[in-house]
Amino acid sequence: ETGVTQTPRHLVMGMTNKKSLKCEQHLGHNAMYWYKQSAKKPLELMFVYNFKEQTENNSVPSRFSPECPNSSHLFLHLHTLQPEDSALYLCASSQDLDRTYYGYTFGSGTRLTVV
Amino acid sequence: GQNIDQPTEMTATEGAIVQINCTYQTSGFNGLFWYQQHAGEAPTFLSYNVLDGLEEKGRFSSFLSRSKGYSYLLLKELQMKDSASYLCAVRDSNYQLIWGAGTKLIIKP
Repeated sequence: ETGVTQTPRHLVMGMTNKKSLKCEQHLGHNAMYWYKQSAKKPLELMFVYNFKEQTENNSVPSRFSPECPNSSHLFLHLHTLQPEDSALYLCASSQDLDRTYYGYTFGSGTRLTVV
Repeated sequence: GQNIDQPTEMTATEGAIVQINCTYQTSGFNGLFWYQQHAGEAPTFLSYNVLDGLEEKGRFSSFLSRSKGYSYLLLKELQMKDSASYLCAVRDSNYQLIWGAGTKLIIKP
């Protein structure tokens, strides 16, 4: 148990489907992040939320839509994805944006395959 | 641009010592992290360096030289369970984490 739970673990979806990824943390952290991890590439930061407010959107295509209803939950809504969006999507949390002395706590990720 | 370089893959023998290097060029520096990620699992925090020198934590040690833009992770008495990817990340002047692509470490009996 890492403290950050992501569901589902695996997802296969067609390019016309709509699906959502869920992330939940009960660590009392105030900042939450979505990352994309592709093989042999650095982690790509997608979105950052701090106290439920989006503080960063790293030029992510609009087919990815984040939602943060409270400090414990984070969603990533997906629609009309492309095959190149297939990757491991990681959620992470930290105490807050600046005091990340202990780094982030990551979830195990959702392995997404777009067909 | 900002860049983190680390070897793509390394192989070592059980019981031996291995050193994984990380070099970085970033806009500012506010600390360097090492994470371990087993296949299909979450990255987990290993170490944090913000001052020059060696930080030892059991079988794992991490070294930082800010003037050289260089760090290494030293793993001693390697065990089969140490087979994983090791990610280097630097926090820049904006407190953003810049990530390397990771080093896949293969341990052989």
